[in-house]
Amino acid sequence: DARVTQTPRDKVTEMGQEVTMRCQPILGHNTVFWYRQTMMQGLELLAYFRNRAPLDDSGMPKDRFSAEMPDATLATLKIQPSEPRDSAVYFCASGLVLAGAVSSEQFFGPGTRLTVL
Amino acid sequence: DQQVKQNSPSLSVQEGRISILNCDYTNSMFDYFLWYKKYPAEGPTFLISISSIKDKNEDGRFTVFLNKSAKHLSLHIVPSQPGDSAVYFCAASAPGRDDKIIFGKGTRLHILP
Repeated sequence: DARVTQTPRDKVTEMGQEVTMRCQPILGHNTVFWYRQTMMQGLELLAYFRNRAPLDDSGMPKDRFSAEMPDATLATLKIQPSEPRDSAVYFCASGLVLAGAVSSEQFFGPGTRLTVL
Repeated sequence: DQQVKQNSPSLSVQEGRISILNCDYTNSMFDYFLWYKKYPAEGPTFLISISSIKDKNEDGRFTVFLNKSAKHLSLHIVPSQPGDSAVYFCAASAPGRDDKIIFGKGTRLHILP
């Protein structure tokens, strides 16, 4: 049963601390997305990768957020320094985009609930 | 500026009746539309989609209708069941956008016994 995994599931930290969230996409998927869910904004796209190369990170506050894919089995989202307004649920999703396809289904992980005090 | 709008934050429907969730979009370039369902403490899961070349797509109890001239789509669930209680996200994508999907804020559906 292939699924996207995310760690940690819950993270409570203090303002100013570094936070790293990890995601393992489904094996064979070539696209990885990071989303943030808040009550006010719903699901916001922060960044995404195709074949490990960043395609778009325009949704991310670049002064404190960074996203990387060190290898095909790991995607990371880092916040440094963290602020209370970063409190949200962060989702990773992966998909297989084929050439010429209209779109592809995205498979979401369970999310990391981040609380910054 | 929200390109995909779900104007009803919540909806309550009696079990066995029809649930209708609505979604409006502003970007006329969108050509593919999706609905995702989300339970608490879980990630969203894909439910049903529709291409702009169609005006209806049906999958079991779920039907999505697309009205391109009105830039409106709706998800119908018939009959509604207790397990349908969840948050439903409408989403859309445009061609040549590298599979980028824009999500609405979601509608929380409560199925009443």
